[in-house]
Amino acid sequence: DTEVTQTPKHLVMGMTNKKSLKCEQHMGHRAMYWYKQKAKKPPELMFVYSYEKLSINESVPSRFSPECPNSSLLNLHLHALQPEDSALYLCASQPRQGGEKLFFGSGTQLSVL
Amino acid sequence: GENVEQHPSTLSVQEGDSAVIKCTYSDSASNYFPWYKQELGKRPQLIIDIRSNVGEKKDQRIAVTLNKTAKHFSLHITETQPEDSAVYFCAASKPGNQFYFGTGTSLTVIP
Repeated sequence: DTEVTQTPKHLVMGMTNKKSLKCEQHMGHRAMYWYKQKAKKPPELMFVYSYEKLSINESVPSRFSPECPNSSLLNLHLHALQPEDSALYLCASQPRQGGEKLFFGSGTQLSVL
Repeated sequence: GENVEQHPSTLSVQEGDSAVIKCTYSDSASNYFPWYKQELGKRPQLIIDIRSNVGEKKDQRIAVTLNKTAKHFSLHITETQPEDSAVYFCAASKPGNQFYFGTGTSLTVIP
């Protein structure tokens, strides 16, 4: 299995909702990432987990809360989002953090109303 | 930290012509340089990558060159086709660190 699987593919939520994005990989990768991406812009790093520990938090607002329950799973919990948070959210994984191929999931297109 | 610059931001070529996209980086310790192609609403797709111990790599119509001394690397697409139209991102990385992406190049291949 060489895939990073993300669910859901699309999500529409109101500013008072709570939702979660899920990411799964079974390649034995020990680094997992969350990126936010606007159209035609590069992915913006949000969080990095290395060996299930939070390695990088790029000063992301607390309305985004990451969780890494085990080496195969990565969640992003969303609460009280703003319309400007509407974007494509990408999960990615690597065998180890940095310097190697980054495998992207298909993303969750999020719209905040 | 690392700083990756990418040029041009937009590029239009006639079908069959070549396209070249250039990136520069600042951290001499960066040793892995991938190129991603992304269509609207889809995931970035790795199309070719190069490590710092190699100067050039080719895969059919796509090639990447790396000049470590000058700290720049380039993507070359020959015999372009309409399906090559997309946004292309370069990146630089080193062990233990994150990926630093360029700002992207929107390539249009005109039939």
